[in-house]
Amino acid sequence: EITLTQSPGTLSLSPGERVSLSCRASQSVSSNYLAWYQQKPGQAPRLLIYGASSRATGIPDRFSASGSGTDFILTISGLEPEDFGIYYCQQYGSSPYTFGQGTKLEI
Amino acid sequence: QVQLVQSGAEVKKPGSSVKVSCKASGGIFNTFEISWVRQAPGQGLEWMGAIIPLYRKTKYAQKFQGRVTITADKSTFTAYMELSSLRSEDTAVYYCARDDLTGSYPNYFYYGLDVWGRGTTVTVSS
Repeated sequence: EITLTQSPGTLSLSPGERVSLSCRASQSVSSNYLAWYQQKPGQAPRLLIYGASSRATGIPDRFSASGSGTDFILTISGLEPEDFGIYYCQQYGSSPYTFGQGTKLEI
Repeated sequence: QVQLVQSGAEVKKPGSSVKVSCKASGGIFNTFEISWVRQAPGQGLEWMGAIIPLYRKTKYAQKFQGRVTITADKSTFTAYMELSSLRSEDTAVYYCARDDLTGSYPNYFYYGLDVWGRGTTVTVSS
């Protein structure tokens, strides 16, 4: 089973700032099948990124992601107030699919 | 526009079972992989398992092996997740979510969970 470790645990930032979130896998993620999700209180998660670097439909281009193998980064350029929430990475390259523990972003 | 509509909240006794449904509207059900993900109060996301309805091919997290059964009825575009031997730690919101696959079995391409149900709250309490 692949363990995903996200850092940092919590971030407090201001609108307009740039932030990078890290997701490290305990072993290589097959086919770079790594996704990022945003979740707000009381809502289901929303897919932001799939395949390590591809933006999902309707996701603003201030969200970008990179990485391969075991190290992945989600970057948000120019934070907007609506970007608060918890960000999770997930690998779906090998079963069991697993999630990271999340990074909480406070604006 | 694909939507996943889940069944309503459940309250169960310890030791009993719960079966949650997830009905897809729109899209081509047979190209989906439906995952079940749960979230305990104040906790993170936990993947439980998944099914490709076309082939009834399932995957499960080891943690739930033997206690969870995921099935699908292609005729009604509905997936189900049944969890048995419930305990208080199973109190959570249970989500279904779909990955819209391309390619052909078993060499599918996967794209992450892009459509989610609203979640079903399951409370286990004596």
